[in-house]
Amino acid sequence: SAVISQKPSRDICQRGTSLTIQCQVDSQVTMMFWYRQQPGQSLTLIATANQGSEATYESGFVIDKFPISRPNLTFSTLTVSNMSPEDSSIYLCSVDGGHYGYTFGSGTRLTVV
Amino acid sequence: GENVEQHPSTLSVQEGDSAVIKCTYSDSASNYFPWYKQELGKRPQLIIDIRSNVGEKKDQRIAVTLNKTAKHFSLHITETQPEDSAVYFCAAHNDYKLSFGAGTTVTVRA
Repeated sequence: SAVISQKPSRDICQRGTSLTIQCQVDSQVTMMFWYRQQPGQSLTLIATANQGSEATYESGFVIDKFPISRPNLTFSTLTVSNMSPEDSSIYLCSVDGGHYGYTFGSGTRLTVV
Repeated sequence: GENVEQHPSTLSVQEGDSAVIKCTYSDSASNYFPWYKQELGKRPQLIIDIRSNVGEKKDQRIAVTLNKTAKHFSLHITETQPEDSAVYFCAAHNDYKLSFGAGTTVTVRA
């Protein structure tokens, strides 16, 4: 199955600043998915990143707040912009591993103070 | 869009007993239904999945059943062990993406 390296694993950030999260996959994948998991909650899809095109955002998420880059078929970044305490959450990237199903990165635990 | 409902939200079982988690989905076009286990502080891990052309799938102590007509699917864990304690999420795949249920916290009592 695809192996995803995600970093940073955690960070504490000041409100009003931005954090960029990176995901590197050990194989080429068409789509990469970015999720948010608030404490004790389920996984909510933020957006889908395709190489060579704009990311597709889910309802309630906008590009200005969560810009995404997808420069090639193995890498993507998610930026959380102008952060507030409400952005404190775990952010996870995911890919479709084909036969092995969808796999997740190890997650980034973000705390905004 | 797809809506996945999951029940119960919490489940406590005696070690050795069975655990059952149920999910329903709304979109009949959904065609793939994975189950994930998430231990505290860790990433979700795929434990079993089923596709829409199959009614049941089993892997050792875990099994999943799918009723396409009723649009529901279930996870069954037999002979539960303390290491089965975790949060379990069901999901439905539709239009290239997964929609997740709210999760079930399973506690196995020794």
